[in-house]
Amino acid sequence: EAGVTQFPSHSVIEKGQTVTLRCDPISGHDNLYWYRRVMGKEIKFLLHFVKESKQDESGMPNNRFLAERTGGTYSTLKVQPAELEDSGVYFCASSPREKGNEQFFGPGTRLTVL
Amino acid sequence: GQNIDQPTEMTATEGAIVQINCTYQTSGFNGLFWYQQHAGEAPTFLSYNVLDGLEEKGRFSSFLSRSKGYSYLLLKELQMKDSASYLCAVRPYGQNFVFGPGTRLSVLP
Repeated sequence: EAGVTQFPSHSVIEKGQTVTLRCDPISGHDNLYWYRRVMGKEIKFLLHFVKESKQDESGMPNNRFLAERTGGTYSTLKVQPAELEDSGVYFCASSPREKGNEQFFGPGTRLTVL
Repeated sequence: GQNIDQPTEMTATEGAIVQINCTYQTSGFNGLFWYQQHAGEAPTFLSYNVLDGLEEKGRFSSFLSRSKGYSYLLLKELQMKDSASYLCAVRPYGQNFVFGPGTRLSVLP
């Protein structure tokens, strides 16, 4: 069974540009989460989808971040325009509806904003 | 908010036992979780505790005391491949996961 995949693995962009990160959860997992880890800090929750609906987006830093999960399968996280403080590793995780607490993480996307 | 504290770094010898502590401040939660993360890789789920006591899974055990706001992860028969960061996380009622800063464990030969 394929795990959670994320694309790209690395992205280097300039301040003011736009970047879109993609996450493909494990097939059949209703729950999808986005997290971010800024250098030297702990992993922070961004938002949670249940299928295509945003269940909790309390962790989204500001309106420069937009997450979507059309069709309830893969998800995208767009940062527009990117700022220096957005640099970090963005993790996606998924879990099945019946075992919502056991999250499976993707390898992350390392975003560097110059 | 929730404060989760873990030691920043620990060192242990191959074959030994190590205990990684985690303290937290939250009024109630749906579970306390431990994850392992090797450098540059995804965190992987190790265990979770909902009730007080010890949960054992092979060489790894996790303990929880809700009254004391305390958990530990116990690793036995350490192997070199156990060198990694160990993340403690809680899921407070009505909220999503809150992670601690992680403990970087180095296993020496």
